[in-house]
Amino acid sequence: EAQVTQNPRYLITVTGKKLTVTCSQNMNHEYMSWYRQDPGLGLRQIYYSMNVEVTDKGDVPEGYKVSRKEKRNFPLILESPSPNQTSLYFCASSESGTGVNEQYFGPGTRLTVT
Amino acid sequence: GDSVTQMEGPVTLSEEAFLTINCTYTATGYPSLFWYVQYPGEGLQLLLKATKADDKGSNKGFEATYRKETTSFHLEKGSVQVSDSAVYFCARRDFGNEKLTFGTGTRLTIIP
Repeated sequence: EAQVTQNPRYLITVTGKKLTVTCSQNMNHEYMSWYRQDPGLGLRQIYYSMNVEVTDKGDVPEGYKVSRKEKRNFPLILESPSPNQTSLYFCASSESGTGVNEQYFGPGTRLTVT
Repeated sequence: GDSVTQMEGPVTLSEEAFLTINCTYTATGYPSLFWYVQYPGEGLQLLLKATKADDKGSNKGFEATYRKETTSFHLEKGSVQVSDSAVYFCARRDFGNEKLTFGTGTRLTIIP
């Protein structure tokens, strides 16, 4: 089954403790992206990747890092999480980065930073 | 910058009622327009899309028409069901750019 998977689905952590949220897709997609969803703000893009070893900032990149060492994986790294990063995070992928293909979303990761 | 404005929620309707969720977009470029749906506890799913003016997207009884003259892409359904309860997001994607710009989302609750 074609899908985007994220782990963990739920995470509660404390300020400053490094964490990684994994994202994997099995569709051989070139483009991958991370969004965060906050009430009243919709979804905002954090980082995106057009292909392996190619990443770029989205609209709200502060406090986050990403890497794209393999085509299928695009982990989101919070080196020193803070309470304002409490949010619902979605990974997405699409076949190319040209804006013509459908984006597929993962199930989401709900992160709470205390 | 480019943006999407959608109707604030929450919206509560009775089963079989007519639904409209308003969405407008800033009139720059030639965006494609989308409606995504998020069911409780799940990720976003593409509901429908339209890629140019006067296109009508439709799926599962939902429809939206790309109106360039009013910069709108309102979501409609003639007779809603309890299973339509979800959060609906309007979004745009500009030509040659993969990034989706989302509205704030509208929570819809249908009561039997």
